[in-house]
Amino acid sequence: SQKIEQNSEALNIQEGKTATLTCNYTNYSPAYLQWYRQDPGRGPVFLLLIRENEKEKRKERLKVTFDTTLKQSLFHITASQPADSATYLCALTGGGADGLTFGKGTHLIIQP
Amino acid sequence: ETGVTQTPRHLVMGMTNKKSLKCEQHLGHNAMYWYKQSAKKPLELMFVYNFKEQTENNSVPSRFSPECPNSSHLFLHLHTLQPEDSALYLCASSQDRGSGSYEQYFGPGTRLTVT
Repeated sequence: SQKIEQNSEALNIQEGKTATLTCNYTNYSPAYLQWYRQDPGRGPVFLLLIRENEKEKRKERLKVTFDTTLKQSLFHITASQPADSATYLCALTGGGADGLTFGKGTHLIIQP
Repeated sequence: ETGVTQTPRHLVMGMTNKKSLKCEQHLGHNAMYWYKQSAKKPLELMFVYNFKEQTENNSVPSRFSPECPNSSHLFLHLHTLQPEDSALYLCASSQDRGSGSYEQYFGPGTRLTVT
């Protein structure tokens, strides 16, 4: 069966360090993979999209990698700040669909 | 107004009621989506519309009935819901369809409680 797995437990990181979040998928062959941020009680906010032929994508303090052989994406936040505390969602599509399938998300806590 | 708006933000309804959720996007997008987010579960895709035509129905029970009168508006009509339908209902839009090649813009959601 198809699965998208993210660390479901909270990830605690000290301010200023790099946070690394993992997204593993099974039985998908996505051409694109997306990352979103969600704060409590609010809708997800788009962060980054990476294509299957891109190994890495950067935006300010954010970096995403996409390894189609390992079926894994890593999401990095460098110089983390307490304001980065949120749930981060990995999403992709399968089988030519247009709607996104999301992982459960990783709750990131940046401690001052 | 900017982005994607949803009304109402909170809704409490009995199992025999009929209600509707409304979504409006001010981004000029062609595709719109309904998602359901329950506690402890990932977002679940419900419906996809492109240029007012439904393109995906993710095996959603018929007590949920979507309507898309134009590319800017999306409704979710609710009737005879069950308590397990209580969740956050999120609307989203994207520039076009594209198998995940376009980012999606989400509204703030409607928190639905079925009593």
